[in-house]
Amino acid sequence: ILNVEQSPQSLHVQEGDSTNFTCSFPSSNFYALHWYRWETAKSPEALFVMTLNGDEKKKGRISATLNTKEGYSYLYIKGSQPEDSATYLCAPHYGGATNKLIFGTGTLLAVQP
Amino acid sequence: DTEVTQTPKHLVMGMTNKKSLKCEQHMGHRAMYWYKQKAKKPPELMFVYSYEKLSINESVPSRFSPECPNSSLLNLHLHALQPEDSALYLCASSPQGAGTYSNQPQHFGDGTRLSIL
Repeated sequence: ILNVEQSPQSLHVQEGDSTNFTCSFPSSNFYALHWYRWETAKSPEALFVMTLNGDEKKKGRISATLNTKEGYSYLYIKGSQPEDSATYLCAPHYGGATNKLIFGTGTLLAVQP
Repeated sequence: DTEVTQTPKHLVMGMTNKKSLKCEQHMGHRAMYWYKQKAKKPPELMFVYSYEKLSINESVPSRFSPECPNSSLLNLHLHALQPEDSALYLCASSPQGAGTYSNQPQHFGDGTRLSIL
């Protein structure tokens, strides 16, 4: 069973704070790492897909890094805004017999104005 | 607005009923997915269709029956469900055939909230 862990489980920050979350995953047979943002009552929205060790991606105030050798990814949000409040899910894609995304349990971010 | 449309948004059914969940995308994507998400748990893959053919069935009970009538539509037929099947059912699509192009993001619908009485 592939175990994808995200920490922290939840996070409450003030508007303007910068924050980061961690995604840890088994690195064997790894193809790519997906990050999704999921607001309540909406659909999960893709943020990044990263494949190479050392990859860094940026979208506005959100950025992510990937370490495939040790099996972790960080997601950073600079200057959090209330509209950033959501659950952030990471999902590594594995090949071979698995051949699917395995979602982590997510980090719930609440940004207080 | 999401580009993957799921209907209905909510469904309540008895254990003897037969119903269907529908999913539609017009982005020309060739892979479509059904996921099940229980409260406070991550989404879990149920089925994958690649080029309109079932490519992955994650040992889902036969009371769930997927169907892909064409490249834009994905159905999930439900029959004789159990109370533990109550969950959010998410549909997703991705541009190329499933698996081969794992660096492409999946596009999700808003889901169908299913309650089994």
